[in-house]
Amino acid sequence: RKEVEQDPGPFNVPEGATVAFNCTYSNSASQSFFWYRQDCRKEPKLLMSVYSSGNEDGRFTAQLNRASQYISLLIRDSKLSDSATYLCVVNDGGYGGSQGNLIFGKGTKLSVKP
Amino acid sequence: GAGVSQTPSNKVTEKGKYVELRCDPISGHTALYWYRQSLGQGPEFLIYFQGTGAADDSGLPNDRFFAVRPEGSVSTLKIQRTERGDSAVYLCASSRSGKDIQYFGAGTRLSVL
Repeated sequence: RKEVEQDPGPFNVPEGATVAFNCTYSNSASQSFFWYRQDCRKEPKLLMSVYSSGNEDGRFTAQLNRASQYISLLIRDSKLSDSATYLCVVNDGGYGGSQGNLIFGKGTKLSVKP
Repeated sequence: GAGVSQTPSNKVTEKGKYVELRCDPISGHTALYWYRQSLGQGPEFLIYFQGTGAADDSGLPNDRFFAVRPEGSVSTLKIQRTERGDSAVYLCASSRSGKDIQYFGAGTRLSVL
């Protein structure tokens, strides 16, 4: 069974804090990696793709370790608006060059308090 | 532009009934996906269409579930003889091709009483 494992949280942090989420995946054939954000009773929305070299988008930094099959997300200077569930997502390895279908973790809930 | 549209947003039905859920993808997107999200879980893949054909239906839980995309645009997910365990949010996503980022609709919340 292809799986993505995440700590469900919740992570309760004060504004301005730095928080890190981790995720492991089981399918070594996965080629694409993402973090999605999901607000309560809303659809998932892409936060950022994750590359082997690591990538940064403002206050968000994502890292990928293929050898350990491990993905991380770091949020610096947390804002109240960062409160949401963060879903770790990998593709299933695909076939014929396609992205393949997405495998989601259960999500990590973040609550940023004033 | 318009995003992925799903209707209805909420559907309440009785055990044993038949339901249809509709997805209208982003214009020009050839790939369309259906996922199901139960409470406290991440979305789980159901089926993937490339154009009119189902390229991968390995996520459909059993033969009560069926989906079509006859003209390569709008898709309908059909559930026969609904069971209480089918209650979930059914999410549709589309992408420009099978290699691109998937964009999700707001989902249909199905409740089977």
